[in-house]
Amino acid sequence: QVQLVESGGGVVQPGRSLTLSCAASGFTFSRLAMHWVRQAPGKGLEWVALISYDGSRKYYADSVKGRVTISRDNSKNTLHLEMRSLSSEDTAVYYCARDGAGGYNSVFGYFYGMDVWGQGTTVTVS
Amino acid sequence: SYELTQPPSVSVSPGQTARIACSGDTLPKQYVFWYQQKPGQAPILVIYKDTERPSGIPERFSGSTSGTTVTLTISGVQAEDTADYYCQSTDSSGSHVLFGGRTKLTVL
Repeated sequence: QVQLVESGGGVVQPGRSLTLSCAASGFTFSRLAMHWVRQAPGKGLEWVALISYDGSRKYYADSVKGRVTISRDNSKNTLHLEMRSLSSEDTAVYYCARDGAGGYNSVFGYFYGMDVWGQGTTVTVS
Repeated sequence: SYELTQPPSVSVSPGQTARIACSGDTLPKQYVFWYQQKPGQAPILVIYKDTERPSGIPERFSGSTSGTTVTLTISGVQAEDTADYYCQSTDSSGSHVLFGGRTKLTVL
Protein backbone atom coordinates (compact mmCIF):
# COMPACT_ATOMS: atom_id res chain seq x y z
CA GLN A 1 0.00 0.00 0.00
CA VAL A 2 1.01 3.60 -0.42
CA GLN A 3 3.11 4.67 2.51
CA LEU A 4 5.29 7.57 3.64
CA VAL A 5 7.48 7.16 6.70
CA GLU A 6 9.36 10.11 8.14
CA SER A 7 12.45 9.84 10.29
CA GLY A 8 15.24 11.99 11.67
CA GLY A 9 13.36 14.08 14.21
CA GLY A 10 14.55 14.62 17.75
CA VAL A 11 15.75 17.21 20.21
CA VAL A 12 18.33 19.62 18.86
CA GLN A 13 19.98 22.70 20.30
CA PRO A 14 19.29 26.15 18.87
CA GLY A 15 21.59 27.04 16.01
CA ARG A 16 22.27 23.45 15.06
CA SER A 17 21.27 21.55 11.95
CA LEU A 18 19.06 18.55 11.34
CA THR A 19 18.11 16.47 8.31
CA LEU A 20 14.75 14.76 8.03
CA SER A 21 14.02 11.88 5.69
CA CYS A 22 10.87 10.39 4.24
CA ALA A 23 10.82 6.87 2.81
CA ALA A 24 8.16 6.31 0.16
CA SER A 25 6.70 3.00 -0.93
CA GLY A 26 3.73 1.59 -2.83
CA PHE A 27 3.78 4.07 -5.70
CA THR A 28 6.09 5.40 -8.41
CA PHE A 29 7.90 7.99 -6.34
CA SER A 30 9.75 9.50 -9.29
CA ARG A 31 6.53 10.63 -10.96
CA LEU A 32 5.18 12.94 -8.26
CA ALA A 33 6.13 16.18 -6.59
CA MET A 34 6.58 15.99 -2.82
CA HIS A 35 6.06 18.40 0.06
CA TRP A 36 7.13 19.02 3.62
CA VAL A 37 4.49 20.49 5.90
CA ARG A 38 4.92 21.27 9.58
CA GLN A 39 2.67 21.84 12.55
CA ALA A 40 3.85 23.64 15.66
CA PRO A 41 2.33 22.47 18.96
CA GLY A 42 -1.31 23.51 19.12
CA LYS A 43 -1.08 25.38 15.82
CA GLY A 44 -2.27 24.92 12.27
CA LEU A 45 -0.56 23.43 9.25
CA GLU A 46 2.27 25.36 7.63
CA TRP A 47 3.66 24.45 4.23
CA VAL A 48 7.47 24.34 4.28
CA ALA A 49 8.78 23.25 0.89
CA LEU A 50 8.04 21.36 -2.30
CA ILE A 51 10.15 19.63 -4.90
CA SER A 52 9.11 18.64 -8.40
CA TYR A 53 9.07 15.02 -9.51
CA ASP A 54 12.56 15.24 -10.98
CA GLY A 55 14.05 17.65 -8.47
CA SER A 56 14.43 20.44 -11.01
CA ARG A 57 12.07 22.82 -9.20
CA LYS A 58 12.24 23.58 -5.51
CA TYR A 59 10.16 26.13 -3.65
CA TYR A 60 10.22 27.24 -0.02
CA ALA A 61 8.04 29.12 2.42
CA ASP A 62 9.34 32.58 3.22
CA SER A 63 9.68 31.56 6.88
CA VAL A 64 12.37 28.98 6.08
CA LYS A 65 13.92 30.20 2.82
CA GLY A 66 17.71 30.26 3.04
CA ARG A 67 17.81 27.88 6.04
CA VAL A 68 16.22 24.81 4.51
CA THR A 69 17.01 22.60 1.54
CA ILE A 70 14.63 20.02 0.11
CA SER A 71 16.03 17.19 -1.97
CA ARG A 72 15.09 13.77 -3.25
CA ASP A 73 16.76 10.55 -4.35
CA ASN A 74 14.48 8.87 -6.86
CA SER A 75 16.74 5.83 -7.00
CA LYS A 76 16.07 5.25 -3.28
CA ASN A 77 12.49 6.57 -3.13
CA THR A 78 13.54 9.02 -0.45
CA LEU A 79 12.78 12.67 0.29
CA HIS A 80 14.96 14.83 2.52
CA LEU A 81 14.73 18.14 4.36
CA GLU A 82 17.95 19.69 5.61
CA MET A 83 17.35 22.38 8.21
CA ARG A 84 20.03 24.78 9.44
CA SER A 85 20.26 27.46 12.12
CA LEU A 86 17.33 25.98 13.97
CA SER A 87 15.38 28.06 16.47
CA SER A 88 12.50 27.40 18.83
CA GLU A 89 10.14 28.54 16.07
CA ASP A 90 11.07 25.42 14.12
CA THR A 91 9.72 23.15 16.86
CA ALA A 92 6.97 21.17 15.17
CA VAL A 93 5.77 17.87 13.79
CA TYR A 94 7.10 17.61 10.25
CA TYR A 95 5.04 15.72 7.69
CA CYS A 96 6.02 14.64 4.23
CA ALA A 97 3.17 14.50 1.74
CA ARG A 98 2.67 13.26 -1.78
CA ASP A 99 1.40 15.70 -4.37
CA GLY A 100 -0.96 13.17 -5.90
CA ALA A 101 -3.84 15.60 -6.35
CA GLY A 102 -1.83 18.38 -7.96
CA GLY A 103 -1.15 19.04 -11.60
CA TYR A 104 -1.06 21.64 -14.32
CA ASN A 105 -3.63 23.14 -16.62
CA SER A 106 -3.75 26.04 -19.03
CA VAL A 107 -6.14 28.01 -16.81
CA PHE A 108 -4.51 27.77 -13.38
CA GLY A 109 -0.98 26.80 -14.25
CA TYR A 110 0.61 24.62 -11.57
CA PHE A 111 -1.55 23.64 -8.60
CA TYR A 112 -0.70 21.41 -5.68
CA GLY A 113 -2.74 19.05 -3.52
CA MET A 114 -1.54 16.44 -1.03
CA ASP A 115 -3.33 13.12 -1.20
CA VAL A 116 -1.09 10.99 1.03
CA TRP A 117 0.65 12.05 4.24
CA GLY A 118 3.13 10.39 6.52
CA GLN A 119 2.58 10.16 10.27
CA GLY A 120 5.14 12.86 10.95
CA THR A 121 8.39 13.19 12.85
CA THR A 122 8.78 15.57 15.78
CA VAL A 123 11.51 18.18 15.92
CA THR A 124 12.10 19.96 19.21
CA VAL A 125 14.58 22.82 19.31
CA SER A 126 15.65 23.35 22.88
CA SER B 1 0.42 38.89 0.86
CA TYR B 2 -1.76 35.99 -0.14
CA GLU B 3 -4.02 34.67 2.62
CA LEU B 4 -6.78 32.13 3.05
CA THR B 5 -9.34 32.95 5.71
CA GLN B 6 -11.42 30.36 7.58
CA PRO B 7 -13.67 30.75 10.62
CA PRO B 8 -11.92 29.48 13.76
CA SER B 9 -14.84 27.31 14.79
CA VAL B 10 -18.13 25.83 13.62
CA SER B 11 -20.58 23.96 15.82
CA VAL B 12 -23.50 21.82 14.69
CA SER B 13 -25.75 19.13 16.10
CA PRO B 14 -25.61 15.57 14.78
CA GLY B 15 -27.55 15.19 11.55
CA GLN B 16 -27.35 18.87 10.66
CA THR B 17 -25.32 20.44 7.89
CA ALA B 18 -21.95 22.04 8.59
CA ARG B 19 -20.51 24.60 6.21
CA ILE B 20 -16.93 25.81 6.44
CA ALA B 21 -15.95 28.71 4.21
CA CYS B 22 -12.51 29.57 2.91
CA SER B 23 -11.98 32.95 1.31
CA GLY B 24 -9.09 34.46 -0.62
CA ASP B 25 -8.66 36.93 -3.43
CA THR B 26 -6.97 34.46 -5.76
CA LEU B 27 -9.40 31.58 -5.26
CA PRO B 28 -11.20 32.16 -8.55
CA LYS B 29 -7.85 31.51 -10.23
CA GLN B 30 -6.71 28.46 -8.27
CA TYR B 31 -8.06 25.20 -6.96
CA VAL B 32 -8.77 24.62 -3.28
CA PHE B 33 -8.15 21.41 -1.39
CA TRP B 34 -9.67 20.47 1.98
CA TYR B 35 -8.08 18.38 4.71
CA GLN B 36 -9.46 16.83 7.87
CA GLN B 37 -7.21 16.34 10.87
CA LYS B 38 -8.16 14.54 14.04
CA PRO B 39 -6.11 14.91 17.25
CA GLY B 40 -2.80 13.11 17.09
CA GLN B 41 -3.28 12.08 13.47
CA ALA B 42 -1.95 13.20 10.11
CA PRO B 43 -4.28 15.19 7.85
CA ILE B 44 -6.32 13.41 5.22
CA LEU B 45 -7.58 14.86 1.96
CA VAL B 46 -11.37 15.10 1.83
CA ILE B 47 -11.98 17.37 -1.18
CA TYR B 48 -9.67 18.17 -4.09
CA LYS B 49 -9.89 20.64 -6.97
CA ASP B 50 -12.71 22.56 -5.24
CA THR B 51 -15.44 19.94 -5.62
CA GLU B 52 -13.98 16.46 -6.18
CA ARG B 53 -14.15 13.79 -3.49
CA PRO B 54 -11.37 11.17 -3.17
CA SER B 55 -12.33 7.54 -3.08
CA GLY B 56 -13.12 6.40 0.44
CA ILE B 57 -14.42 9.78 1.57
CA PRO B 58 -18.10 9.64 2.53
CA GLU B 59 -20.60 11.25 0.17
CA ARG B 60 -21.71 13.64 2.90
CA PHE B 61 -18.54 15.63 2.20
CA SER B 62 -18.86 18.06 -0.70
CA GLY B 63 -17.27 21.25 -1.97
CA SER B 64 -18.57 24.27 -3.82
CA THR B 65 -17.18 27.53 -5.07
CA SER B 66 -18.51 31.02 -5.61
CA GLY B 67 -16.23 33.87 -6.50
CA THR B 68 -13.56 34.36 -3.85
CA THR B 69 -15.12 31.83 -1.45
CA VAL B 70 -14.93 28.07 -1.46
CA THR B 71 -17.09 26.07 0.93
CA LEU B 72 -16.75 22.61 2.46
CA THR B 73 -20.17 21.19 3.27
CA ILE B 74 -20.75 18.18 5.50
CA SER B 75 -24.33 16.98 5.25
CA GLY B 76 -25.80 14.88 8.02
CA VAL B 77 -22.86 15.51 10.32
CA GLN B 78 -21.78 12.61 12.51
CA ALA B 79 -19.86 12.65 15.76
CA GLU B 80 -16.85 11.16 13.96
CA ASP B 81 -16.62 14.32 11.83
CA THR B 82 -15.37 16.25 14.84
CA ALA B 83 -11.95 17.46 13.70
CA ASP B 84 -9.92 20.39 12.47
CA TYR B 85 -10.42 21.30 8.84
CA TYR B 86 -7.99 23.20 6.61
CA CYS B 87 -8.34 24.68 3.17
CA GLN B 88 -5.24 24.84 0.98
CA SER B 89 -4.42 26.48 -2.31
CA THR B 90 -1.52 27.58 -4.50
CA ASP B 91 -0.38 31.07 -5.32
CA SER B 92 -0.74 32.42 -8.84
CA SER B 93 2.90 31.81 -9.69
CA GLY B 94 2.68 28.13 -8.77
CA SER B 95 5.60 28.50 -6.37
CA HIS B 96 3.95 28.67 -2.96
CA VAL B 97 1.37 26.60 -1.14
CA LEU B 98 -0.85 28.16 1.50
CA PHE B 99 -3.07 26.72 4.19
CA GLY B 100 -6.00 28.44 5.77
CA GLY B 101 -5.94 29.06 9.48
CA ARG B 102 -7.91 25.98 10.65
CA THR B 103 -11.56 25.53 11.53
CA LYS B 104 -12.44 23.42 14.52
CA LEU B 105 -15.68 21.54 13.87
CA THR B 106 -17.55 20.55 17.00
CA VAL B 107 -20.48 18.17 16.80
CA LEU B 108 -22.60 18.98 19.82
